[in-house]
Amino acid sequence: EAGVAQSPRYKIIEKRQSVAFWCNPISGHATLYWYQQILGQGPKLLIQFQNNGVVDDSQLPKDRFSAERLKGVDSTLKIQPAKLEDSAVYLCASSLQGTNNSPLHFGNGTRLTVT
Amino acid sequence: AQKVTQAQTEISVVEKEDVTLDCVYETRDTTYYLFWYKQPPSGELVFLIRRNSFDEQNEISGRYSWNFQKSTSSFNFTITASQVVDSAVYFCALSEQNSGGYQKVTFGTGTKLQVIP
Repeated sequence: EAGVAQSPRYKIIEKRQSVAFWCNPISGHATLYWYQQILGQGPKLLIQFQNNGVVDDSQLPKDRFSAERLKGVDSTLKIQPAKLEDSAVYLCASSLQGTNNSPLHFGNGTRLTVT
Repeated sequence: AQKVTQAQTEISVVEKEDVTLDCVYETRDTTYYLFWYKQPPSGELVFLIRRNSFDEQNEISGRYSWNFQKSTSSFNFTITASQVVDSAVYFCALSEQNSGGYQKVTFGTGTKLQVIP
């Protein structure tokens, strides 16, 4: 089975610019997650979708971050405007059902550098 | 307070040594799952093992084994006869249910393992 696809792999932008990341989960996976991983830290959940609905966005900085999952498949995460502290790897993951025994399957991530 | 604590930031071992990675978690749920993930230098987190809160039987799978002790809220992971390919960052993760009944996964800060040839 094809894994979770993410693009771009790397992105360098200046502060106050905007950026968007794309994720295509494993086919048939209902749950999609966006995590932020700052260097040297564990992944931190930004937003979680069940099909095309948001089930957890409690840690998403909503003044600058937004995400959508149209049609319950692909998802896009946007940052506008970016800050220096947004430099991190943005990981997309999917799981089959979103029940708490479902392992997450991760993409390779997008490494964002904000200068 | 950290929900998942991995006190070991970095560990170095010589190839063929055994190594144990520690994980302590905190939850009020009675039903939860614990996971270990591996993140090699390429960056993709890879699922390794899963254990549910009702099953404290320790298991071995190849060179991997894990020790789950509910009484101490610990879920330790051991690699026997370590190999250079085991060099990676290892994350312990706790999966609980959020208020909507969906899975909420919290990761620890990771332990970087370096296996020296």
